[in-house]
Amino acid sequence: GAGVSQSPSNKVTEKGKDVELRCDPISGHTALYWYRQSLGQGLEFLIYFQGNSAPDKSGLPSDRFSAERTGGSVSTLTIQRTQQEDSAVYLCATTPGTGNSGANVLTFGAGSRLTVL
Amino acid sequence: RKEVEQDPGPFNVPEGATVAFNCTYSNSASQSFFWYRQDCRKEPKLLMSVYSSGNEDGRFTAQLNRASQYISLLIRDSKLSDSATYLCVVNPRYNFNKFYFGSGTKLNVKP
Repeated sequence: GAGVSQSPSNKVTEKGKDVELRCDPISGHTALYWYRQSLGQGLEFLIYFQGNSAPDKSGLPSDRFSAERTGGSVSTLTIQRTQQEDSAVYLCATTPGTGNSGANVLTFGAGSRLTVL
Repeated sequence: RKEVEQDPGPFNVPEGATVAFNCTYSNSASQSFFWYRQDCRKEPKLLMSVYSSGNEDGRFTAQLNRASQYISLLIRDSKLSDSATYLCVVNPRYNFNKFYFGSGTKLNVKP
């Protein structure tokens, strides 16, 4: 697509439920990132994909968090047994993933706002 | 020490003022630098890349000082619509797929 598309834009769930957040990257962008932003805070890196593999998942806060990417395109971030502290905006960003530093610019989706009651 | 540090502000300035933000980075191997703008409850959007020789885009000027390891953003003739949080982003030479974010500087432009 022309931009990074995320769904759902808003999700309200009850504590203990599982949620899935989806990211559809810009067509041809091989690198995909998930970030989390709590209210009034900076961006927290979660995981990075290059193609379908995740060479850096160091930011995932616990084993309740997982992500996958299929076909080098759509990515899903899954949070199991949600907790109230998981409430945040989850942002996806993509880049062409090339070594050309001038072109390696992050483009963000509008985010998925998660509220855990 | 954080990879990227910014003064969180807020910077409260009147319309028409000139305001400047700095951002320091810790890794001298940093390769690429960016300023992003984030409006309240919105996603970050690229404002401008920062080039070694400095660059200008309308009222916005970005500078890079490699010796002192900081980048700056200058906004001239501030508009109400410039009110936002400005994020500094650094991309290291050793891993062009790694991005380090500052926590952002909040700007409030007042009438």
